[in-house]
Amino acid sequence: ILNVEQSPQSLHVQEGDSTNFTCSFPSSNFYALHWYRWETAKSPEALFVMTLNGDEKKKGRISATLNTKEGYSYLYIKGSQPEDSATYLCAHMDSSYKLIFGSGTRLLVRP
Amino acid sequence: GAVVSQHPSWVICKSGTSVKIECRSLDFQATTMFWYRQFPKQSLMLMATSNEGSKATYEQGVEKDKFLINHASLTLSTLTVTSAHPEDSSFYICSAKEGAISQPQHFGDGTRLSIL
Repeated sequence: ILNVEQSPQSLHVQEGDSTNFTCSFPSSNFYALHWYRWETAKSPEALFVMTLNGDEKKKGRISATLNTKEGYSYLYIKGSQPEDSATYLCAHMDSSYKLIFGSGTRLLVRP
Repeated sequence: GAVVSQHPSWVICKSGTSVKIECRSLDFQATTMFWYRQFPKQSLMLMATSNEGSKATYEQGVEKDKFLINHASLTLSTLTVTSAHPEDSSFYICSAKEGAISQPQHFGDGTRLSIL
C-alpha cells in the first residue's frame, strides 16, 4: 500500500445498525493514524489519534483499532444514529509528521 | 476548546484577482498551521506547512509564488492565492496543531473558491 485507502466509499445503514469501515495505509515508516468525522457544512472533528500497534480507542458508540504491521485500521460505530451521518476520514502520519488523507467513507444513517 | 476560524467561507471572483484567506486559532496558540486543498471527489491534499515566524514549507507541485503564506503570529496564518485563474477553483481548508505532534489537528470550516 503506497497511499491511504478507505473502504467503502459510501455506506447507507438503518438506524440501530452497527457498521464498520476500513483504512489501509503504508505499514513502513509509521508514526500515527488519525480519524476525523466531517459533517456537511462543518469542520472536520478529531475522533482518535492512534500510535501503537494493537491500540484500541473508544468514544461513546465509536471505537477504532489499529494494526501497524499490516497497515490497517478499523472504525466501528455501534447502534448507528442519524446524527452519525458524516464523512469519516482517516489520515496517516509518517516520520515527516505530515498527514496523508484517504478520500473518506460517507455514511448515511436512515431513521 | 481548540477552535479554528477560517474566512471567508465562499469567494467568487474574476480571473486575475488575488484572494486572501485567513485562518485563526481562537483559544490556543498554534506554532504550526497547515493548508490543504480538496478538488471534487478527491482527498484533502496538503499544500504547505506554515510555521510562525518562518517561511512556509511547500509540498511538491505547489507554487510558492502562487500561494503566498504568512504566519506572522501564533494565532493567524493567511493564504493568498495570487492572480487566481479558473484552475485554482477549489476548496481550501486550514488546520492548526496545539502542542505535541501526537495531538490531532483542529480544522477551520474551509473556503470554497470559485474563479470565473
